[in-house]
Amino acid sequence: NAGVTQTPKFRVLKTGQSMTLLCAQDMNHEYMYWYRQDPGMGLRLIHYSVGEGTTAKGEVPDGYNVSRLKKQNFLLGLESAAPSQTSVYFCASRLSGGDNQPQHFGDGTRLSIL
Amino acid sequence: AQSVAQPEDQVNVAEGNPLTVKCTYSVSGNPYLFWYVQYPNRGLQFLLKYITGDNLVKGSYGFEAEFNKSQTSFHLKKPSALVSDSALYFCAVRATGNTGGFKTIFGAGTRLFVKA
Repeated sequence: NAGVTQTPKFRVLKTGQSMTLLCAQDMNHEYMYWYRQDPGMGLRLIHYSVGEGTTAKGEVPDGYNVSRLKKQNFLLGLESAAPSQTSVYFCASRLSGGDNQPQHFGDGTRLSIL
Repeated sequence: AQSVAQPEDQVNVAEGNPLTVKCTYSVSGNPYLFWYVQYPNRGLQFLLKYITGDNLVKGSYGFEAEFNKSQTSFHLKKPSALVSDSALYFCAVRATGNTGGFKTIFGAGTRLFVKA
């Protein structure tokens, strides 16, 4: 049981390049989330999904897009990377049965934009 | 609007001494409260949660947390700290209800340093 797997683990991009971060979970969770973690700011929600084929904006969605074509996968895209998007990105998932379910996190993708 | 405050950027404690990591929150209605721990180069790991009932919640690795509704606090505690407890700790709140339940608000994190 792998839990939540994020690929790649590290990436360096040049300003203006595009890329896609992949999140895969094998726990049959309905809800999936993308966060970014910056020093002193905790985790900020970028986008989330409450089921296959559905996505919604979080706290800081600008510059990012997402897709949830399959229940187990949640993709985060950067269309034109900017230095302000240098961060550590975390994917999380949780069961939909009750708001008290904890989230399960991947180990993150460390992204640097030069 | 929901918010979580962790007033201390860092907490230093000697091994064997009790530790407390503070958290206060603001949310409409009844909250679900969580503590997570993050080790270097890893994702967050769930420690414990408060749903309802007993104000003292016990979790993983000997940690516990005390819910105080009047003070809107949910402080993380451990009777005897270990060097291996050194990590970054996050408090989180989730509002109950149809829309609030989708999102969790995280505090900025408190770094715990346990000295041998």
